[in-house]
Amino acid sequence: DVKVTQSSRYLVKRTGEKVFLECVQDMDHENMFWYRQDPGLGLRLIYFSYDVKMKEKGDIPEGYSVSREKKERFSLILESASTNQTSMYLCASSFATLNPGSETQYFGPGTRLLVL
Amino acid sequence: KQEVTQIPAALSVPEGENLVLNCSFTDSAIYNLQWFRQDPGKGLTSLLLIQSSQREQTSGRLNASLDKSSGRSTLYIAASQPGDSATYLCAVYGSNYKLTFGKGTLLTVNP
Repeated sequence: DVKVTQSSRYLVKRTGEKVFLECVQDMDHENMFWYRQDPGLGLRLIYFSYDVKMKEKGDIPEGYSVSREKKERFSLILESASTNQTSMYLCASSFATLNPGSETQYFGPGTRLLVL
Repeated sequence: KQEVTQIPAALSVPEGENLVLNCSFTDSAIYNLQWFRQDPGKGLTSLLLIQSSQREQTSGRLNASLDKSSGRSTLYIAASQPGDSATYLCAVYGSNYKLTFGKGTLLTVNP
């Protein structure tokens, strides 16, 4: 079974703090993704990575950065947390394939972040 | 820009009923359409993936169809059970190599 784990299920931080959200997958997937999920807005892609040290901006990258130093680990960084970054953060991973769209994404359990 | 709409936003049915969840998308240039399930406070679990060349996929009591030309998909759940209660999300994988999600349908199956 594919396993995607996230370092924390719940996190409370203060405005201005630097926040690290960690995601690890055990299936040797090339692709990794960070989403945030908000009521009424659905899931939105923040950043994704196709390979180690590679990163691409998603639809809402502002206020976030990412790091992928090892294939299995993808970190989301909030450089200076703000209250509007209070959200559910979901990590996902998938295989790279020559047949686009043949592989699904596997999601972690999510981290619920509250910024006070 | 791809937009994905799910109707209804919420649905409550008695146990045993057959039901249909709807999904529509604006750009038919997709590689696949996927249906996910999300339990409260949890991550997403993939239920069915329909590639653009396919018309439907089945898994147990679930059947998903895809009409790419009209930009529509349905998820059919047969003989619903209380354990089916969850939010069901539709997502399309487009030519931008990204998944675009709908906002989901919250399903409640009452015993």
